[in-house]
Amino acid sequence: AAGVIQSPRHLIKEKRETATLKCYPIPRHDTVYWYQQGPGQDPQFLISFYEKMQSDKGSIPDRFSAQQFSDYHSELNMSSLELGDSALYFCASSLGLAVTYNEQFFGPGTRLTVL
Amino acid sequence: GIQVEQSPPDLILQEGANSTLRCNFSDSVNNLQWFHQNPWGQLINLFYIPSGTKQNGRLSATTVATERYSLLYISSSQTTDSGVYFCAAKTGANNLFFGTGTRLTVIP
Repeated sequence: AAGVIQSPRHLIKEKRETATLKCYPIPRHDTVYWYQQGPGQDPQFLISFYEKMQSDKGSIPDRFSAQQFSDYHSELNMSSLELGDSALYFCASSLGLAVTYNEQFFGPGTRLTVL
Repeated sequence: GIQVEQSPPDLILQEGANSTLRCNFSDSVNNLQWFHQNPWGQLINLFYIPSGTKQNGRLSATTVATERYSLLYISSSQTTDSGVYFCAAKTGANNLFFGTGTRLTVIP
């Protein structure tokens, strides 16, 4: 079965640089979520989109922005990178309108290292 | 948001042993999921279980929604079961709130 695709899988950047992470949801899934997992921590919600509109916002820094495109893929843009942004970034997808079934499926993650 | 607590934080088992992991949550939920994070960092879906009981091979899970807890049972553990097990829950909001995880080490 098709899964959530994330690219790149690994990314190394310098401080103050920018980065763009991409996410391709499972076909027919209309909702995308972004999570950040720091070393030794649990994943923390950043932001989500349903039908190309932002649906919920968590602890996402102002330096980060995201959007969902017409083909439902999503991109997380990160600017002025800091050492503390080094983390594993997950994208997840689900069927947004299904109240009785809303299981989230996670991609393999992008490991970002900021030097 | 909802508070999710997991216990125990760490667990060391001999291969072949059974274990029970617990997840308590602070509010009624419409989504409760269990994940296994392997040593490569991948989050593997184990169960979607807002209520009731499910089984998948050596793993099973039970959620008692009225008492706000869920249990994950691992039987006949294998070294490949090692990793971190996360419970995550959500109420009306879109995002999942994760517990701090149980780190399982299975030794041969």
